[in-house]
This record gives sequence, structure tokens and C-alpha cells, in this order.
Amino acid sequence: AQTVTQSQPEMSVQEAETVTLSCTYDTSESDYYLFWYKQPPSRQMILVIRQEAYKQQNATENRFSVNFQKAAKSFSLKISDSQLGDAAMYFCAYRSGSDYKLSFGAGTTVTVRA
Amino acid sequence: KAGVTQTPRYLIKTRGQQVTLSCSPISGHRSVSWYQQTPGQGLQFLFEYFSETQRNKGNFPGRFSGRQFSNSRSEMNVSTLELGDSALYLCASSLDSGGYQPQHFGDGTRLSIL
Repeated sequence: AQTVTQSQPEMSVQEAETVTLSCTYDTSESDYYLFWYKQPPSRQMILVIRQEAYKQQNATENRFSVNFQKAAKSFSLKISDSQLGDAAMYFCAYRSGSDYKLSFGAGTTVTVRA
Repeated sequence: KAGVTQTPRYLIKTRGQQVTLSCSPISGHRSVSWYQQTPGQGLQFLFEYFSETQRNKGNFPGRFSGRQFSNSRSEMNVSTLELGDSALYLCASSLDSGGYQPQHFGDGTRLSIL
């Protein structure tokens, strides 16, 4: 079974500043997909960004970008120009390319200070 | 387009009872997955259905079961409820079974066992 580790239970960032959330995973597969999901207090999970393992180019979605280091099995999320609406729990997720099971990390709670 | 709809939003049951949760995916989505979210265990995969067939199953006892109907709506059933089954149950749908397909989550059903 794949393991996804988010080592930062909580992160705090000043509005307009940048914060980076770490995520590492353990796998022996070469075909897989990585995701970051956001769960605000309203609790609906929302996809933030996704990355295919075979693509070396880091994915970017507006203020959200990832640093994908395949050899290191690392998939960090950078939130630039943080906004109050970014406050949420962020989950890193791994999806196997063989059985498509989605495994989540424990989550990182992001607080944005005004 | 309507999102993923889960009913009911809240449910209170007692030990030993059984419960059925419902999930209506986004129109056109054929894959439905279920997750259990608890403070202690985080987000755990229960099972996935695609075109009325269970494709994947997580490490949960047989008391947890599900099914999918021809219109892609899915139900999850938990029998002989235990206190440890108290959790937020999330349903997610995706267009098809592709690994890169993002999952769209519902608001969840909060199940409390007394």
C-alpha cells in the first residue's frame, strides 16, 4: 500500500505572502498521479492541482504551483499571494496507475493572517 | 451542472443498527468512490464503483458494503454499527476510471453513533 506523508500539521501565512506545504510518498510504481485537495471549514473537498508522474514539468494553476521531485518522491504545494479564502485543510493524495486507489495524507491546516 | 449530492447530511444511530447513505454523482459521471474521514485515521478509501461494478475496495470489514445503480447513483450500507463508525462519509464522482481524472466530492454525511 502506498503511504502519503504530510509532515506539517499546521502552517500559518501572512496575507499576500507565500507558503509551501510538503508532501512525500512511498511507492514502487512508475505510473501514478498526484493531487492536492483543499477542504475548507464548509468541508467540501475541492481539487487544487494535479500532476501526472511521467510529466517532468511542474503543474501550475493560477497562484498554486507544485514542485514535483520524482526521484525524491516529493510533491510540495506552493501557494503564492495567499488570500483569506485559502484558509483550509490541504490534503496531498496519491493515485495508483494500476488500481486507481486514492490514498490521502493526514492533511495540513493552513491559517491565513490578515 | 449540479454537484455531487449526498443524503442525508446528518444521521444519528445507535450501536447495532444499520444505515444506508446515498450519493448522486455529477450527471455523466460513471465512477463513484466512498471515503471515511475521522480525526484519528484521516481519509480512508472504502470502495469505488464504476458502471455498477465494484472495482476497488479498501481495508474495511464486511459490514461496509455498497452498490451502484444503472443511473450511477450509489448507496453505502453499514450494518451492525459500532461506536468507531462515527465519521464523515464522503462520496466522490469522476467522469470515468482514468487515473488522472479528478474526483468531485460531495458535502458528506456526518454519521454519529450513540
